[in-house]
Amino acid sequence: DIQMTQSPSSLSASVGDRVTITCRASQSIRNYLNWYQQKPGKAPKLLIYTTSSLQSGVPSRFSGSGSGTDFTLTISSLQPEDFATYYCQHSYSAPPNFGQGTKLEIK
Amino acid sequence: QVQLQEWGAGLLKPSETLSLTCAVYGGSFSGYYWSWIRQPPGKGLEWIGEMNHRGSTNYNPSLKSRVTISVDTSKNQFSLRLKSVTAADTAVYYCARGDVDALGFYVGSGYWGQGALVTVSS
Repeated sequence: DIQMTQSPSSLSASVGDRVTITCRASQSIRNYLNWYQQKPGKAPKLLIYTTSSLQSGVPSRFSGSGSGTDFTLTISSLQPEDFATYYCQHSYSAPPNFGQGTKLEIK
Repeated sequence: QVQLQEWGAGLLKPSETLSLTCAVYGGSFSGYYWSWIRQPPGKGLEWIGEMNHRGSTNYNPSLKSRVTISVDTSKNQFSLRLKSVTAADTAVYYCARGDVDALGFYVGSGYWGQGALVTVSS
């Protein structure tokens, strides 16, 4: 199985800040890396697929990059609605494991 | 507009079988990955298994001996069965639809059900 490790586990930031979350795979997953946002009591929402493709309807302040084993999710200017938990997930092979999550909190 | 909705028993006793069904509204059933994912209270997401666009199933190795995913295309539904549950299986269970790229790789789940809480308690 390919394991996914996110860092940091939690992050405090302010509205307007630029934020980066990283995700590392235990082996190469090419560009098969997805990012989700989850708010309390809600299902996860797909933000980015295959490393850098923005899901329809997702604001352009979200972006993704990386390849192989190291990936990043960047929010260019935090908005109040962005405070949530973010998960990466690889989709290179089964099982498509998730990272442990990064909780983004208001400073 | 694609919508997914899960339903099933919300309270089980240890050793019983969890059974959930997910109905898919507003879209084709073929050509996608159909997955179950769960989230224990206060914890992260755990992928349970899938039926892929070729009709094959894959399961999380940690659950493989207890899990079955099946599809009823005539009803646009897919189901999850998890045998011999314990308190560790208490979680919100989500069904989700995954897209496929030109190479047949799963490329993320853009549609999710609202989640069904299943509690295992004696």
